Amino acid sequence: AQTVTQSQPEMSVQEAETVTLSCTYDTSENNYYLFWYKQPPSRQMILVIRQEAYKQQNATENRFSVNFQKAAKSFSLKISDSQLGDTAMYFCAFNMPSYGKLTFGQGTILTVHP
Amino acid sequence: ETGVTQTPRHLVMGMTNKKSLKCEQHLGHNAMYWYKQSAKKPLELMFVYNFKEQTENNSVPSRFSPECPNSSHLFLHLHTLQPEDSALYLCASSQDWGRRMVEAFFGQGTRLTVV
Repeated sequence: AQTVTQSQPEMSVQEAETVTLSCTYDTSENNYYLFWYKQPPSRQMILVIRQEAYKQQNATENRFSVNFQKAAKSFSLKISDSQLGDTAMYFCAFNMPSYGKLTFGQGTILTVHP
Repeated sequence: ETGVTQTPRHLVMGMTNKKSLKCEQHLGHNAMYWYKQSAKKPLELMFVYNFKEQTENNSVPSRFSPECPNSSHLFLHLHTLQPEDSALYLCASSQDWGRRMVEAFFGQGTRLTVV
């Protein structure tokens, strides 16, 4: 079975600074996908960034980037130039093409302070 | 604006009531999901439908009954619920998992309170 672990229940950061959220996962598969989702107080889950396991290059989306370490089964999210609108709960998620469903971590509540 | 719409946004029901949650997606996806989100717990997958066929029932009690009449609509019928069933219920959709990248799109959820 696949498991996803987020060891940081809560994080805080000052506006304009950088923060890194941690995620580890466990799988015996070689081909899979990893995602970071954001859930603001409005409750809408929004995809932030995704990574294909067979790609060595780390994914980036504007201020969001990941550090994907396949051997260590680690998938951290870095948010640069944090903004107040980044305040949300962040979920790391795992999926395999043949599996069809997302497995989520416990979530990290991120608060950005002015 | 979301491509996945859930109604109602909030629901309060007694333990003897029967109610239904509705989910509709406008993204042309073939797979739909129900997740339960409780405080301080990971998202729990409840049901998966792929091309209208239920492919997963994650040991969900029978007081939760899903229905998927077509690939665009998903219902969750509720009856004789317990207070511990109070949670945020999220619907999601994706392309069928024969595709390379199965990215899920979520609705805004229904906040259910059982009294």
